[in-house]
Amino acid sequence: NAGVTQTPKFRILKIGQSMTLQCAQDMNHNYMYWYRQDPGMGLKLIYYSVGAGITDKGEVPNGYNVSRSTTEDFPLRLELAAPSQTSVYFCASSYSPGRDEQFFGPGTRLTVL
Amino acid sequence: QKEVEQNSGPLSVPEGAIASLNCTYSDRGSQSFFWYRQYSGKSPELIMFIYSNGDKEDGRFTAQLNKASQYVSLLIRDSQPSDSATYLCAVTNDYKLSFGAGTTVTVRA
Repeated sequence: NAGVTQTPKFRILKIGQSMTLQCAQDMNHNYMYWYRQDPGMGLKLIYYSVGAGITDKGEVPNGYNVSRSTTEDFPLRLELAAPSQTSVYFCASSYSPGRDEQFFGPGTRLTVL
Repeated sequence: QKEVEQNSGPLSVPEGAIASLNCTYSDRGSQSFFWYRQYSGKSPELIMFIYSNGDKEDGRFTAQLNKASQYVSLLIRDSQPSDSATYLCAVTNDYKLSFGAGTTVTVRA
């Protein structure tokens, strides 16, 4: 199993550009999450999904959008990139919420200039 | 008040010593508690979870939970250089995990 995969690993955007961060898991997990991690900080939840077609906002959703058309994929869309979105983005998945381990992808390091 | 607070680091311990990490949380209804380890430039990986009051041991790691005091800790015994990392405390809130800012541990030879 590949686990949780993310692409790209690194990206530099100009202010106002848009992009999609890809996330896929092959563990048949219903629950998937997007976090951002700023230097010296913990992870902040952006969006999460409890299954295909169902998504909800986390702690810091502004400036982002998600979709979940399949169990495997959970892309994160950045519209009109801003310097405040410079961060490392982690996707994670779990079998069930709360009780089970969340498995993390390798992360995407995004810089907005 | 932050949902999850960890003792500020960095924490420097000599090889072979015990590293003690602390975490407090604000939501009294939290049910599950996790410790993740994160090496520099890498993603978090789970090292311990605990659901019930008391101690839970796994190798050199011991997690302690006190729900009445809303406190969870992690002890690393016989610290090794490979334990040098940032340790993140995470607490369940409904479907979501809330993370602390992390404590960076450095084990010096």
